[in-house]
Amino acid sequence: NAGVTQTPKFQVLKTGQSMTLQCAQDMNHEYMSWYRQDPGMGLRLIHYSVGAGITDQGEVPNGYNVSRSTTEDFPLRLLSAAPSQTSVYFCASSYSGGRAFFGQGTRLTVV
Amino acid sequence: RKEVEQDPGPFNVPEGATVAFNCTYSNSASQSFFWYRQDCRKEPKLLMSVYSSGNEDGRFTAQLNRASQYISLLIRDSKLSDSATYLCVTYNQGGKLIFGQGTELSVKP
Repeated sequence: NAGVTQTPKFQVLKTGQSMTLQCAQDMNHEYMSWYRQDPGMGLRLIHYSVGAGITDQGEVPNGYNVSRSTTEDFPLRLLSAAPSQTSVYFCASSYSGGRAFFGQGTRLTVV
Repeated sequence: RKEVEQDPGPFNVPEGATVAFNCTYSNSASQSFFWYRQDCRKEPKLLMSVYSSGNEDGRFTAQLNRASQYISLLIRDSKLSDSATYLCVTYNQGGKLIFGQGTELSVKP
């Protein structure tokens, strides 16, 4: 099993560019979520999904979009990158109420 | 009140020491609790689940106190390799996975 696959691992964007962070899981988990982690801070929830076709906002959703067209995939789109979005991004999946599995993270720098 | 609260530390302890972390949670109906370990902003990794009766895994012991709504993690005989940030995790009433801000542990020789 691959678990949670998150790509890319590193990315540099220019201000105003858009991009999509990919997240895929092969465990048939209904719950998937995206977090960002800034230096010296904890994980902050961006968006989450409790199943295909269902998404909801987390703590810091502004500037990000998500969709969940399949159980396996939960991409995160940055609409117009800003330096404030420089961070490490983690995708996670779980059965509802179960332990979470994480992707390896994407280190994003916006210049 | 935050849904999950932890003392951010840092906890600086010598090798061989015993150290304990607490984590309080607000959702009295929560059924699932976990401790994760995170190194240097790498992906968090499951350390252990927390069961109602308490559970132990080697040098690590987890306890749940439903009456006071907190979970704890006890690390005995600390090793240098235990230096990391420890995250308390549960689900809120809406079914969202919620992380505490983490407790930093530094084990010194």
